[in-house]
Amino acid sequence: GENVEQHPSTLSVQEGDSAVIKCTYSDSASNYFPWYKQELGKRPQLIIDIRSNVGEKKDQRIAVTLNKTAKHFSLHITETQPEDSAVYFCAASKGANSKLTFGKGITLSVRP
Amino acid sequence: GAGVSQTPSNKVTEKGKYVELRCDPISGHTALYWYRQSLGQGPEFLIYFQGTGAADDSGLPNDRFFAVRPEGSVSTLKIQRTERGDSAVYLCASSLAGASYEQYFGPGTRLTVT
Repeated sequence: GENVEQHPSTLSVQEGDSAVIKCTYSDSASNYFPWYKQELGKRPQLIIDIRSNVGEKKDQRIAVTLNKTAKHFSLHITETQPEDSAVYFCAASKGANSKLTFGKGITLSVRP
Repeated sequence: GAGVSQTPSNKVTEKGKYVELRCDPISGHTALYWYRQSLGQGPEFLIYFQGTGAADDSGLPNDRFFAVRPEGSVSTLKIQRTERGDSAVYLCASSLAGASYEQYFGPGTRLTVT
């Protein structure tokens, strides 16, 4: 089955700096890659996603890039703010009506 | 509109007891997923419903776990003879049918088995 790995496991950045979080996946049939943000004790929130037919997607301060050949995708957050501090999970699936396989998460800390 | 809701938010039970966890999906979402999240881990898939039927139950860990969705809306996850290792946050997500990929999560039920 699919295996999603996420690294690093923790990341600390200064407010205003950029943060990059990387994930790799194993199943070449996966074609949908969402990113979720989870604050302590809260539900995972979908913040951005990408499908395998595009290489990059942007939404204000966040962007996701996908390299299908290397089977990895990355989340980029620019101009980080303290409220960006949370656990970020990447996931992969085979598209609509398919289960998500998650990475273990990365704890992002933004220092004011 | 209202998001996915789950009840109860917290459940404490004794080892060996039976529990039921409820999920109300977003109105109009025909796809419903259950996941389990242990401390410090990402959510792990349990079961997926399309309408009333379980389309994929490959993530259920054993036959103590069962889920139903009799009318294609609300779903109940049932755990028999609970064990301490079942302690986790149980998350529900829903999605539109057809070509919709996005899954939206509920707040979860924190289950503690003592």
